[in-house]
Amino acid sequence: EADIYQTPRYLVIGTGKKITLECSQTMGHDKMYWYQQDPGMELHLIHYSYGVNSTEKGDLSSESTVSRIRTEHFPLTLESARPSHTSQYLCASSETPPGTGVYEQYFGPGTRLTVT
Amino acid sequence: GQQLNQSPQSMFIQEGEDVSMNCTSSSIFNTWLWYKQDPGEGPVLLIALYKAGELTSNGRLTAQFGTTRKDSFLNISASIPSDVGIYFCAAGTYKYIFGTGTRLKVLA
Repeated sequence: EADIYQTPRYLVIGTGKKITLECSQTMGHDKMYWYQQDPGMELHLIHYSYGVNSTEKGDLSSESTVSRIRTEHFPLTLESARPSHTSQYLCASSETPPGTGVYEQYFGPGTRLTVT
Repeated sequence: GQQLNQSPQSMFIQEGEDVSMNCTSSSIFNTWLWYKQDPGEGPVLLIALYKAGELTSNGRLTAQFGTTRKDSFLNISASIPSDVGIYFCAAGTYKYIFGTGTRLKVLA
C-alpha cells in the first residue's frame, strides 16, 4: 500500500487566483497520477509521471500543469482559476507487487476545489 | 476512446443480500482493479486482477477477470450497511481508465 497525502483537503478561491495542490507519497513509487472527478462521477486522468522530470498529459484535457522534481512530490498548479475548474482532484501513485508486472494504483484523500 | 461500461448504475439491497456488478469494454486489458469510494474520500483499492479467468477474493468480496480480458465482475456476499458507497472498476496497465461507478445503498 501507499501513504499518499494531499493538501489542502478543501479550497475555496476566487476567479483568477493561482493555486497549487500538493501531493506527496512516502513509498518511493515512481509513477504518480492526477485525476479529476466531479461528485459521484467517474475519474478522468489529467496528468501522470513515470518518474523524476517525466510528466505527460492524460486523457482529459486540463489547463493545469504539473512538475516532478522529487520522487515523492507531484504538485498540480492552476495559473488562473476559473469556476469551470471546480471539481475534486485526486492524486495517486502505483507500485508493482513482486512477480506480477502489474501496477496497483493507490489514491490520496483528494482536494475539493471550489472556484467562485 | 476507450470506455468501460459499468452496471448496474445504482442498486438498493437489503442487508444480508449478495450483490453483483460488472464492467465491460470493447478493448482488451491486462489488469482490472476494483475500488470503493466513500463520499469526500479517495477510492480505496479492493481487489487487483492480473490474469484472464482469475478469481480473487478479499473477505466478502470476490472478483473475476473475464476470460476474454474485456470484462470483470465483482460480487459482495452478505452485504452490511458499511458496504454503502460507489464501486468503480478500472482497467489498464500502468495507466487506467475508470468505469462510471455502481452506487450501492444497503437497507438495514
